[in-house]
Amino acid sequence: DAKTTQPTSMDCAEGRAANLPCNHSTISGNEYVYWYRQIHSQGPQYIIHGLKNNETNEMASLIITEDRKSSTLILPHATLRDTAVYYCIVRAVAGTGTASKLTFGTGTRLQVTL
Amino acid sequence: GAVVSQHPSWVICKSGTSVKIECRSLDFQATTMFWYRQFPKQSLMLMATSNEGSKATYEQGVEKDKFLINHASLTLSTLTVTSAHPEDSSFYICSAGVFDYGYTFGSGTRLTVV
Repeated sequence: DAKTTQPTSMDCAEGRAANLPCNHSTISGNEYVYWYRQIHSQGPQYIIHGLKNNETNEMASLIITEDRKSSTLILPHATLRDTAVYYCIVRAVAGTGTASKLTFGTGTRLQVTL
Repeated sequence: GAVVSQHPSWVICKSGTSVKIECRSLDFQATTMFWYRQFPKQSLMLMATSNEGSKATYEQGVEKDKFLINHASLTLSTLTVTSAHPEDSSFYICSAGVFDYGYTFGSGTRLTVV
């Protein structure tokens, strides 16, 4: 799976949009971009994933550049409860009915402040 | 949907004893489960991949005789830390996936060996 690079930490004011970047310059054509977050002392929580089109769900938006070498996770209105470590993970799809492993990098520690 | 229950949430055991951690998929069948370990202020490290009805696949450097994994049914995988020592104290997290989509993680187990 392709390696990802994320900033170590970021701050965001409550109510503002949090934009978390991720570089994955060695991504392959069959690899998806996944985002998870981990709130302190809890298991990771799935946020969103995409292949090449921008994606949006109730939690966030995922913007993937046209060359797919980088992406940005957007939390449109950050709250204090969004304070967590955010992981960008790139992995290939193993095929229907099988599951391939997720490899976590160091992630970005997002601190949302008042 | 897609709930993974992990038990216990925390455990303290004496050095030399064994500890069993359970991971259950509550509302879906998980052909594959993953076990991770996380030390303080570090990222999640994959320990092994557990496949229902077959032997687990361990990551390099993980002792399979020390960390016994059993995946006897489509809804239950167990991790047994045998002859635990203080250096095994960590946060253990399981995750489950069926098809290559978003994985669901358990809430984690905090193991302290004294």
